[in-house]
Amino acid sequence: SAVISQKPSRDICQRGTSLTIQCQVDSQVTMMFWYRQQPGQSLTLIATANQGSEATYESGFVIDKFPISRPNLTFSTLTVSNMSPEDSSIYLCSGGVTGQGPYGYTFGSGTRLTVV
Amino acid sequence: KQEVTQIPAALSVPEGENLVLNCSFTDSAIYNLQWFRQDPGKGLTSLLLIQSSQREQTSGRLNASLDKSSGRSTLYIAASQPGDSATYLCAVVANAGGTSYGKLTFGQGTILTVHP
Repeated sequence: SAVISQKPSRDICQRGTSLTIQCQVDSQVTMMFWYRQQPGQSLTLIATANQGSEATYESGFVIDKFPISRPNLTFSTLTVSNMSPEDSSIYLCSGGVTGQGPYGYTFGSGTRLTVV
Repeated sequence: KQEVTQIPAALSVPEGENLVLNCSFTDSAIYNLQWFRQDPGKGLTSLLLIQSSQREQTSGRLNASLDKSSGRSTLYIAASQPGDSATYLCAVVANAGGTSYGKLTFGQGTILTVHP
């Protein structure tokens, strides 16, 4: 299965600033997903990032707050914009291969974001 | 809307015990189901993937079963060890077709503590 390198692993950011998180996959994956895990909670899907098209956002998440890029089949970024303390979470990316359908999903190691 | 529930929310056992973690989902139209492990502050590690046509998968001391029609999966851990202490997450992947295709819906997780 694919291996995903995610960075940064953690960051402490000032309120009102933006942070871009990167995920690099060691093989081509059709679909990439970005999740948020708030303290003590499970994972919530933010958006689906497909190469060559606009990201699809879940209810409660908007592009202006979480712009996503997917320039090719091995790379994606998520930006957390105009941050507030409520954005303090772990952000994770994952990737899967379609064609036969998702075979299984690999996750990056996560980015622990603290907004002060 | 798919909902995934995991029982129990937390489990504490002495080393050596065999244990069962439960996962249920409301929509049986799934493509596959995955069990993940998450260590504190870390990303997710995939443990087992069961395709919708399969009944079970085994890896070492882990065995996962799937009863798609009843919307249930169990993760069996044999001879538990302190190193098994982690949060265990169950996630289902929506079936092919439709806007939910490929998305993982997670349960809230079971926090497992195995004490020596």
